[in-house]
Amino acid sequence: KQEVTQIPAALSVPEGENLVLNCSFTDSAIYNLQWFRQDPGKGLTSLLLIQSSQREQTSGRLNASLDKSSGRSTLYIAASQPGDSATYLCAVSPPGTYKYIFGTGTRLKVLA
Amino acid sequence: GAGVSQTPSNKVTEKGKYVELRCDPISGHTALYWYRQSLGQGPEFLIYFQGTGAADDSGLPNDRFFAVRPEGSVSTLKIQRTERGDSAVYLCASSLNPHGTGGPPETQYFGPGTRLLVL
Repeated sequence: KQEVTQIPAALSVPEGENLVLNCSFTDSAIYNLQWFRQDPGKGLTSLLLIQSSQREQTSGRLNASLDKSSGRSTLYIAASQPGDSATYLCAVSPPGTYKYIFGTGTRLKVLA
Repeated sequence: GAGVSQTPSNKVTEKGKYVELRCDPISGHTALYWYRQSLGQGPEFLIYFQGTGAADDSGLPNDRFFAVRPEGSVSTLKIQRTERGDSAVYLCASSLNPHGTGGPPETQYFGPGTRLLVL
């Protein structure tokens, strides 16, 4: 059974820092991996999607990498800003299905 | 364009009652998903529709939960004889899925959710 873990559960950093959020999954057989952002009381916003054949994706200050063989992904946020404060969730899609299995998220707070 | 919308945004009901939660996906998206998110947890998959049919309902917790998508667009999640443990945020997502081509899933776009509280 696929399980997704995110470490740390919470993180507080000063503005301007570069930071890394970690996601690990127990079964390396995945279709793709997607990183989401969730603001309090809101739905999820897609940040980056990495297909199983890819190793990384970039969007602005965000870079996500995928190492399928070791069951890990990292989300790198450069020059963090207070507006980046949110919960970040990673999710993997098992092959042959279209559903996502989510981690419990990392609550990020960027201090001004 | 408009994103995924869900109604109502909040629903309070009493134990034992029946509730319906509605999802309007992004126009043209053939795939629709329902997830449930409890406090402090990530979303849990409930059911996935491709067009009008439920392609995967393996996440529905029991037979009190049922979902339909009769015209391949709007979907309704129905919960019978609600229990306090059903309290959660119910999230809907949609995507352009190349179903049948064997390709990987596309990005899922989520709605704001319906917050259900069963008293």
